[in-house]
Amino acid sequence: GAVVSQHPSRVICKSGTSVKIECRSLDFQATTMFWYRQFPKQSLMLMATSNEGSKATYEQGVEKDKFLINHASLTLSTLTVTSAHPEDSSFYICSAISGGGNQPQHFGDGTRLSIL
Amino acid sequence: GENVEQHPSTLSVQEGDSAVIKCTYSDSASNYFPWYKQELGKRPQLIIDIRSNVGEKKDQRIAVTLNKTAKHFSLHITETQPEDSAVYFCAASRTLYSSASKIIFGSGTRLSIRP
Repeated sequence: GAVVSQHPSRVICKSGTSVKIECRSLDFQATTMFWYRQFPKQSLMLMATSNEGSKATYEQGVEKDKFLINHASLTLSTLTVTSAHPEDSSFYICSAISGGGNQPQHFGDGTRLSIL
Repeated sequence: GENVEQHPSTLSVQEGDSAVIKCTYSDSASNYFPWYKQELGKRPQLIIDIRSNVGEKKDQRIAVTLNKTAKHFSLHITETQPEDSAVYFCAASRTLYSSASKIIFGSGTRLSIRP
């Protein structure tokens, strides 16, 4: 149980393109989803917390107009990198939990984004 | 703000020996401490977690200890095997009963098991 599917797994696109990444909880309802960015050989940096039906909460330094997050249902959250540039190239990974309080986060497989 | 420090950044041990990774946290209200294992290019996977009402938890070859006074927690892997080679992340979070808590990750430890 507790499977999180993330799609696509890899994206290569030209500078200026907008890229949408989907995160789905397959066998549970995810009241909260988290979006992380991970640079090579570094830790996971939380970008934003997404609660179903409400606006995402962004971490300090993360541009909300650059990284659009939508959590329209209990099983789907999307991250759109708008007008992507080479510096946006990174590994993006989502996680999801069900309910409140402290619970283990279940991670997706991640999306490797490469902007040419 | 909240911070989690993790040491060492790299660790190499002989197969069969034990490995210890240590973390400290800054938020005294933190009460949940998961450990994740991440293989290259893959998702982090929860390997063990501990809550603040206990001082130690063990699952086969893996154990975690927590010292709330010192704000310090550690991961212990005994009888290490080649498949234990990966990057390990500690993390800390604080319960927010009205909503889910966010987890703050340590910087990671790259563990290599020498055959």
